[in-house]
Amino acid sequence: DADVTQTPRNRITKTGKRIMLECSQTKGHDRMYWYRQDPGLGLQLIYYSFDVKDINKGEISDGYSVSRQAQAKFSLSLESAIPNQTALYFCATSVGGKGRTDTQYFGPGTRLTVL
Amino acid sequence: GENVEQHPSTLSVQEGDSAVIKCTYSDSASNYFPWYKQELGKRPQLIIDIRSNVGEKKDQRIAVTLNKTAKHFSLHITETQPEDSAVYFCAASKAGSARQLTFGSGTQLTVLP
Repeated sequence: DADVTQTPRNRITKTGKRIMLECSQTKGHDRMYWYRQDPGLGLQLIYYSFDVKDINKGEISDGYSVSRQAQAKFSLSLESAIPNQTALYFCATSVGGKGRTDTQYFGPGTRLTVL
Repeated sequence: GENVEQHPSTLSVQEGDSAVIKCTYSDSASNYFPWYKQELGKRPQLIIDIRSNVGEKKDQRIAVTLNKTAKHFSLHITETQPEDSAVYFCAASKAGSARQLTFGSGTQLTVLP
């Protein structure tokens, strides 16, 4: 969906480097998510956020941190990248509250390679 | 936590035939089951979803069935077309968990012309 954008789209970095992946949305959704996709493993939830003040760990949060700078922006950081963090990363958004539909809308993904 | 298993991992069908992908889930409290389609190099997109108060839902050539007793749900695609070729993911979630989706491992569907 064009309303959810991710930067960068591709990134190659070296072991030990700090890297930040950014997600922005113009959908006005309050809930945002970060997923990791590995071949044959589907999508795994890293972190999710209900709103700017509410951030929660997902099933694979170790080695990652996040920041919700505004309702529209949710960043994922790898403080010290390691090769097994090489993956495709997706941001997603959904509507919470009374207008909740549960549908998650995904960004285009960031392909991260850690050498 | 929830565990979702998806089968088969790959599926090839002739154009015009039907395709069925099956998922099982472990948490009986799960009550929302979406299916996502991911074309090569693109983002996952929701194609259909079902809630636990419904046994079946259809949308043109796509249908999803849910068996709460057995804790499994299936995606049915009829009259398959080459553009149906993609990876399909099932997922499950329950209320009160920010709708944390637990995904299956995906099925690569190939529709042969």
